[in-house]
Amino acid sequence: QKEVEQNSGPLSVPEGAIASLNCTYSDRGSQSFFWYRQYSGKSPELIMSIYSNGDKEDGRFTAQLNKASQYVSLLIRDSQPSDSATYLCAVFQFYFGTGTSLTVIP
Amino acid sequence: DAGVIQSPRHEVTEMGQEVTLRCKPISGHNSLFWYRQTMMRGLELLIYFNNNVPIDDSGMPEDRFSAKMPNASFSTLKIQPSEPRDSAVYFCASTSLGYGYTFGSGTRLTVV
Repeated sequence: QKEVEQNSGPLSVPEGAIASLNCTYSDRGSQSFFWYRQYSGKSPELIMSIYSNGDKEDGRFTAQLNKASQYVSLLIRDSQPSDSATYLCAVFQFYFGTGTSLTVIP
Repeated sequence: DAGVIQSPRHEVTEMGQEVTLRCKPISGHNSLFWYRQTMMRGLELLIYFNNNVPIDDSGMPEDRFSAKMPNASFSTLKIQPSEPRDSAVYFCASTSLGYGYTFGSGTRLTVV
């Protein structure tokens, strides 16, 4: 399977701060990238997709893609306690990283 | 739309028994995926179907696992015989290829 690497964390940030989640991948030919959020005991939920180099913003979420460096990141601005979850990076739909656990401290 | 529907939500079975997991994808989605999630290995792709045809089953652990999609609205994942190491959460997801998934609620399988 294709390699998708994420820091498992846990990552802790105070409420209102920016949370930065990173993901690297091995297949240079990958064209599509996704971020999912998974609350404990629940199924993953798609929050962002990105296909082109650069930034893509959706509300408090910004996905960043750099194909030359083979990394994709997710920034969460004004972090809220409700953002506490595991964030999964997926490449070319199929291949998932093991996820980064985020805790937002009130 | 009711989303991706999986059944059962929980399954406890004894080693050696046959287990069948069921999935109804979202209407109009042409791709269906079966994943297994464990703490140690994360989300592993087992098999995926495109237009009801199995495209890649290289993730199926061994011959004990089989999957079918007889029509666009139904798929099954069968484990026979089941073993304790098969204990995991099994997710079904559907999409149109190239887009992100919608996951079902999952089936938590425990083999004792």
